[in-house]
Amino acid sequence: DTGVSQDPRHKITKRGQNVTFRCDPISEHNRLYWYRQTLGQGPEFLTYFQNEAQLEKSRLLSDRFSAERPKGSFSTLEIQRTEQGDSAMYLCASSYTGTGLRDEQFFGPGTRLTVL
Amino acid sequence: DQQVKQNSPSLSVQEGRISILNCDYTNSMFDYFLWYKKYPAEGPTFLISISSIKDKNEDGRFTVFLNKSAKHLSLHIVPSQPGDSAVYFCAATDTGTASKLTFGTGTRLQVTL
Repeated sequence: DTGVSQDPRHKITKRGQNVTFRCDPISEHNRLYWYRQTLGQGPEFLTYFQNEAQLEKSRLLSDRFSAERPKGSFSTLEIQRTEQGDSAMYLCASSYTGTGLRDEQFFGPGTRLTVL
Repeated sequence: DQQVKQNSPSLSVQEGRISILNCDYTNSMFDYFLWYKKYPAEGPTFLISISSIKDKNEDGRFTVFLNKSAKHLSLHIVPSQPGDSAVYFCAATDTGTASKLTFGTGTRLQVTL
């Protein structure tokens, strides 16, 4: 399977704990995005990388959140000192940008986080 | 501020009939629009897109119409099939900037036999 993969698919944690999610994009894709989706809402943009550079962060991304994409391949999203309001589905997407190409984003299955 | 709105949370259509899903946007900078389909426990899957230089794009049973003056787009599915039952998200982006997607809240389509 050459799609976007995310690990773990589900995570249950206690309030105050740190969690880390991983995203493996489609191999030739140079852009990687993180979104968060809560119940009854559409996905909301959190941050994106072009290769290894993090180019934009949403104001939704508090300083408890950090994302990395070392070497421009996989990415990790860490949440420190989790709060119950962090409970959501975290979605990763990747795309390839090139001259004349549309930036169609392909999504992974998501990681569902539950903070108790 | 909800920049992309899907005002119908759900829609039920009989198999074989046309499904019409609607989406409105407020940001005049948006110039590229996409529809995604989402099944439970899966990520959104790209369905069809349209650039602001067009007013219609067709792909098999799926057609997207864009009315820029009304800031409105719609997705037509004809004929509807039971496998089309899913949540449909409208998304928009300003390709001059980051291409991050702004999503609507989704419409749950149920295609009945």
